[in-house]
Amino acid sequence: QKEVEQDPGPLSVPEGAIVSLNCTYSNSAFQYFMWYRQYSRKGPELLMYTYSSGNKEDGRFTAQVDKSSKYISLFIRDSQPSDSATYLCAMSAWGNEKLTFGTGTRLTIIP
Amino acid sequence: DAGVIQSPRHEVTEMGQEVTLRCKPISGHDYLFWYRQTMMRGLELLIYFNNNVPIDDSGMPEDRFSAKMPNASFSTLKIQPSEPRDSAVYFCASIQMGTGELNEQFFGPGTRLTVL
Repeated sequence: QKEVEQDPGPLSVPEGAIVSLNCTYSNSAFQYFMWYRQYSRKGPELLMYTYSSGNKEDGRFTAQVDKSSKYISLFIRDSQPSDSATYLCAMSAWGNEKLTFGTGTRLTIIP
Repeated sequence: DAGVIQSPRHEVTEMGQEVTLRCKPISGHDYLFWYRQTMMRGLELLIYFNNNVPIDDSGMPEDRFSAKMPNASFSTLKIQPSEPRDSAVYFCASIQMGTGELNEQFFGPGTRLTVL
């Protein structure tokens, strides 16, 4: 079993919809939880991160961490075609040195 | 800054050949990471360096893989001999470790390797 599990999708939603992306994990030592966005034929870019449990909001994006359930989510409100990309969750115990990534969820926003 | 630079962007080779991938990290960054991305396994960390010294190579799949960082501005990942199952996109990333809670890893555009 992988340390981090992520539904690969693909996920297609109409423009303006709320998108929910999720990951589960098994390593209790993980303290940092990140979401990366990867456009086609590009490298991943950090979208946002959360330390320990709780919520974090940045514009149309909200990240949630539930450590008791070992479950993290990324919500995208008012989704736009420019949000079409692969979203990867990533986690680490100590910060940014050694990240464990999910396989990524491919998201398409339909105009 | 130009960001992390990787070369070549695409590489097609035949099984058994040696392959060398190159990376130039962002100037001033003191950590460098090599990753491999496939559909089945996602993004996997192969090895990372701190101040040019390899810190953790536990992700390197086999002895056929080797990585070096002769100076702060250059690193190579070599596969010898290459096999079809090595076909993947290889990413290089770098960080400048600071005092913040989290330091962002900046990824290069990747090298798409196809081994026939």
